[in-house]
Amino acid sequence: KNQVEQSPQSLIILEGKNCTLQCNYTVSPFSNLRWYKQDTGRGPVSLTIMTFSENTKSNGRYTATLDADTKQSSLHITASQLSDSASYICVVSLKVAAGNKLTFGGGTRVLVKP
Amino acid sequence: DVKVTQSSRYLVKRTGEKVFLECVQDMDHENMFWYRQDPGLGLRLIYFSYDVKMKEKGDIPEGYSVSREKKERFSLILESASTNQTSMYLCASNVQGYEQYFGPGTRLTVT
Repeated sequence: KNQVEQSPQSLIILEGKNCTLQCNYTVSPFSNLRWYKQDTGRGPVSLTIMTFSENTKSNGRYTATLDADTKQSSLHITASQLSDSASYICVVSLKVAAGNKLTFGGGTRVLVKP
Repeated sequence: DVKVTQSSRYLVKRTGEKVFLECVQDMDHENMFWYRQDPGLGLRLIYFSYDVKMKEKGDIPEGYSVSREKKERFSLILESASTNQTSMYLCASNVQGYEQYFGPGTRLTVT
């Protein structure tokens, strides 16, 4: 069964600190992996996308890594800001006959405290 | 700038009512999607459409139907709302193979 598991479910960090979110997947055949940020009451917005051959991708203070062999990804937030408080969703795309199908993780809710 | 809009941010309906959720995108995307999002379950695909008047069932289509009469508009219909359909509903659109852009969501409560 194609699954995407994220950990931890929630995280509280102090402003200015770093944190790392984890994503493990069993999706196959793999096409790409995205991290989305979802602010409360809003739709998800893409942060990064990585294909099979990429093992790291940065977007400002967000850095995503991918290990396609172990089927693990992480999202590292550097020098957290209050605006980083949100849910972070790992989304894995698999190749199907009709194109790509997305499998969503349950998300990690991050709260940044001053 | 990319834009996906949904007709309502919050909606309260009674059990048995027919409910329409509207989604409009202004990017000329061929694909449109309806998801529901529940705590701990992530986003689950209800229906998607790859062209006008075309639709495909997602993972949880039961109790829902959709309509796509124009390329920019994708409607989700709850024929007879039930309390277990209380959820956040998210619409998205994309060009095949590229990022999905999401709307702000509609939080539906069925009482």
